[in-house]
Amino acid sequence: QVHLVQSGAEVKKPGASVKVSCKAFGYTFTRYGIHWVRQAPGHRLEWMGWINAGNTKYSEKFQGRVTITRDTSASTAYMELSSLTFEDTAVYYCARDDGGPNTFWGQGTLVTVSS
Amino acid sequence: EIVMTQSPATLSVSPGERATLSCRASQSVSSNLAWYQQKPGQAPRLLIYGASTRPTGIPARFSGSGSGTDFTLTISSLQSEDFAVYYCQQYNNWLTFGGGTKVEIK
Repeated sequence: QVHLVQSGAEVKKPGASVKVSCKAFGYTFTRYGIHWVRQAPGHRLEWMGWINAGNTKYSEKFQGRVTITRDTSASTAYMELSSLTFEDTAVYYCARDDGGPNTFWGQGTLVTVSS
Repeated sequence: EIVMTQSPATLSVSPGERATLSCRASQSVSSNLAWYQQKPGQAPRLLIYGASTRPTGIPARFSGSGSGTDFTLTISSLQSEDFAVYYCQQYNNWLTFGGGTKVEIK
C-alpha cells in the first residue's frame, strides 16, 4: 500500500530555513519522482519543485530559495526552504509523480513563520 | 507559466442535484488536466486525470470532459461527502493549479 509520510509541524523565525522530509512506503522509491506543493492560507495550491533520479526542477518563484534532495537508501525526499518570511507560512505537501497527475500525497506539514 | 482559472468560486447545490465546475487554461494543455477534491485538513484526492479518466475507486458520478483550454468536472448527483473544494491542475508543463471551487450545501 503506497503512502507518503511527512515530518511534523515546524515553527520558524523570519530569515531561518526549514527542511521537511517525505518518506515513501509501499513502492520502489527510485521508480518515481516526487513533487513538492504548498498551500498558504487562502491561497491556491502552488508547485515548488520536483526531483527524480539525478534531476531537479524548481519553480521560478522559489528558484534560489528552495533545495530538493533525496536519500534513496532511506526512500526519503527532502525540501529545504531558506530565507523564510511570514508569507511562507503554509502547509507543505509532497506528492508522487505518476507521469503527470499525483495519485499519492503526504499528509502535509504545517510550517509557521513567526517572530 | 500556464494560468488556470476556475469558475465559479463557490457553488451552492442541494444534495442529489447536479454540479458543473469549469476550468480554463491560459494556453492549451491538451488533455493533461486533472481534478482533485480537498476537504479541510486533508491532502488533495485525485478524481480525474487525462481530462476524463477516473482512477480506480472514484465513483462514477464524477466525470470530466474537455481538451485544449476548456474543461468541465460534473458531479451527477451530489452526496453529502462531496461537499468540498475542487481544484483543477495542468501537468502539460510542470504543474499549476486553479484557484478552486467550493461546493457548499444549498
